[in-house]
Amino acid sequence: EVQLVESGGGLVQPGGSLRLSCAASRFTFTSYSMNWIRQAPGKGLEWLAYINVGSTSIFYADSVRGRFTISRDNAKNSLYLQMNSLRDEDTAIYYCAREGTGRFDAFDMWGQGTTVTVSS
Amino acid sequence: IQMTQSPSSLSASVGDRVTITCRASQGISNYLAWFQQKPGKAPKLLIYGASTLQPGVPSRFSGSGSGTDFTLTISSLQPEDVATYYCQKYDSAPRTFGQGTKVDIK
Repeated sequence: EVQLVESGGGLVQPGGSLRLSCAASRFTFTSYSMNWIRQAPGKGLEWLAYINVGSTSIFYADSVRGRFTISRDNAKNSLYLQMNSLRDEDTAIYYCAREGTGRFDAFDMWGQGTTVTVSS
Repeated sequence: IQMTQSPSSLSASVGDRVTITCRASQGISNYLAWFQQKPGKAPKLLIYGASTLQPGVPSRFSGSGSGTDFTLTISSLQPEDVATYYCQKYDSAPRTFGQGTKVDIK
């Protein structure tokens, strides 16, 4: 099945770190840029980070710049989000989503999400 | 660039025509997508390029607009359309989402 599967979520104390993974299956991973998006409980969607195919173009939301790092391993068909200095407000469901490289291609596939809870 | 959706929620009858608007604070050409999110599920792409229907999405969904003002229309609301709808700009970073519009059945 063509899919994205996130993992690595869990309970972490404020100030702690966590590394999320997103595994791509049954599509050509190197044909897509990738993104991380999160959704706090009862809230809307917040875009966090973008990485292009060659990892030469990376962007972050202001809310996570300097604390979170997006990366990918094309040989392993995997996307990562290293999250450091975690805060209570980082508690959310974290989704990865692929973005085609065509002119108007959008986020056409999302994973099911992984839950991160930051609490003491 | 800010993305402002309206209304924040609406209630309509089955068969009604429903319209949701999204306004960008600066022009974004046609780099506007619409997503549907049902409770407990990941978002699903409905419309990209402001007006192109994603394959597999029912034809009662349509999108229009360009520049700063965009519209998502459901021509005949169905019970399975109960969800929250988000617009998103993706011309550049940050790829900002609107705050969402919750749609339910009257």
